[in-house]
Amino acid sequence: DTVLTQSPALAVSPGERVSISCRASEGVNSYMHWYQQKPGQQPKLLIYKASNLASGVPARFSGSGSGTDFTLTIDPVEADDTATYFCQQSWNDPYTFGAGTKLELK
Amino acid sequence: EVQLQESGPGLVKPSQSLSLTCSVTGYSITSNYWGWIRKFPGNKMEWMGYISYSGSTSYNPSLKSRISITRDTSKNQFFLQLNSVTTEDTATYYCARVGYSSHVMDAWGQGASVTVSS
Repeated sequence: DTVLTQSPALAVSPGERVSISCRASEGVNSYMHWYQQKPGQQPKLLIYKASNLASGVPARFSGSGSGTDFTLTIDPVEADDTATYFCQQSWNDPYTFGAGTKLELK
Repeated sequence: EVQLQESGPGLVKPSQSLSLTCSVTGYSITSNYWGWIRKFPGNKMEWMGYISYSGSTSYNPSLKSRISITRDTSKNQFFLQLNSVTTEDTATYYCARVGYSSHVMDAWGQGASVTVSS
């Protein structure tokens, strides 16, 4: 299976820029997607196919990368962005998720 | 706006079958793909499988011998059955709409917590 590796946690101050990385154990073309999940809620799609902003998602969120290395950037970070962010690939079967990066605000 | 809602028992005994229903409103399940994903205690997420607009299915090989996803188009619902459950199947189960080409999960249900315990 394709393993997606994310850093476990990050802490930033409101107004700063943060980049969350996701590295795949094998190439996934551009089929990497990013989700935000807050406690007690379902995941919410932020970015699809590496760099496409999902409907209704603020332009503060952006994605980049291809192949094996991908990045989700939030600029500027707001207090409401406190959440866990997951990457997920849909190029290789079975589809897999990263373990999630917990973003905390200072 | 599409909405998905999971329903089913919150407690299942070991060796029995887990059955969940996903009710979809605002969108026909005869379009797109429709999937099941679960999140274990500790945050790990696992894609379980999906059923397509035509009724074909695809499953995670790790579950292939135990899982079945079916649908009732007249009720706009699709279903998950997981057989021979163990305590390791304790998780929150989500249903989701899956995009045609990218297979991104662009709409999710609220999730159903299922505990496997005697």
